[in-house]
Amino acid sequence: DVKVTQSSRYLVKRTGEKVFLECVQDMDHENMFWYRQDPGLGLRLIYFSYDVKMKEKGDIPEGYSVSREKKERFSLILESASTNQTSMYLCASSLSSGQGSFGPGTRLTVT
Amino acid sequence: EDQVTQSPEALRLQEGESSSLNCSYTVSGLRGLFWYRQDPGKGPEFLFTLYSAGEEKEKERLKATLTKKESFLHITAPKPEDSATYLCAVPRADTGTASKLTFGTGTRLQVTL
Repeated sequence: DVKVTQSSRYLVKRTGEKVFLECVQDMDHENMFWYRQDPGLGLRLIYFSYDVKMKEKGDIPEGYSVSREKKERFSLILESASTNQTSMYLCASSLSSGQGSFGPGTRLTVT
Repeated sequence: EDQVTQSPEALRLQEGESSSLNCSYTVSGLRGLFWYRQDPGKGPEFLFTLYSAGEEKEKERLKATLTKKESFLHITAPKPEDSATYLCAVPRADTGTASKLTFGTGTRLQVTL
């Protein structure tokens, strides 16, 4: 089974801080994703990467950036955290067929 | 625009009381439909992929079916450990890869003794 790990389960940051969320997958998946999940809104795609150094904006990229320097690692960066970025952040990886594996999630609180 | 709608939003069943969850979709050129299970505070866990109308997949008390417009997740004689949120997703039509998914908002299932 593919294992996807995320650097933190819980994170509390202050408004204006730069925040790094890291994700690592241990299977050779080319695709990696960052989602955020909020009650009533479901999973929303922030960014998608289909290869090293390649990325695409998802549905809600504003206020976020990503980095993929190695195939197994995909980082999400909040340039200047704001309270409306308080959410559950989920990383996923998949083959091109679509079936994917998710990490355990990072619950981020911005105060 | 691709849309995935799940119903009901929440479902409460007694142990042993079978039921079905619905996932309806509007996407041109379906390239698969995925079911996931998500426990509170955790990431979704893959359950099934269905590719064509008439296809069925089973796992323990769960059976997923697919038609041209919707998918059902049938739960037979559920147990409390089946309590979770069940998500369905389809690949987006506007992309060359089947890996970018549109998710429904899920059905929150609670099974009581």
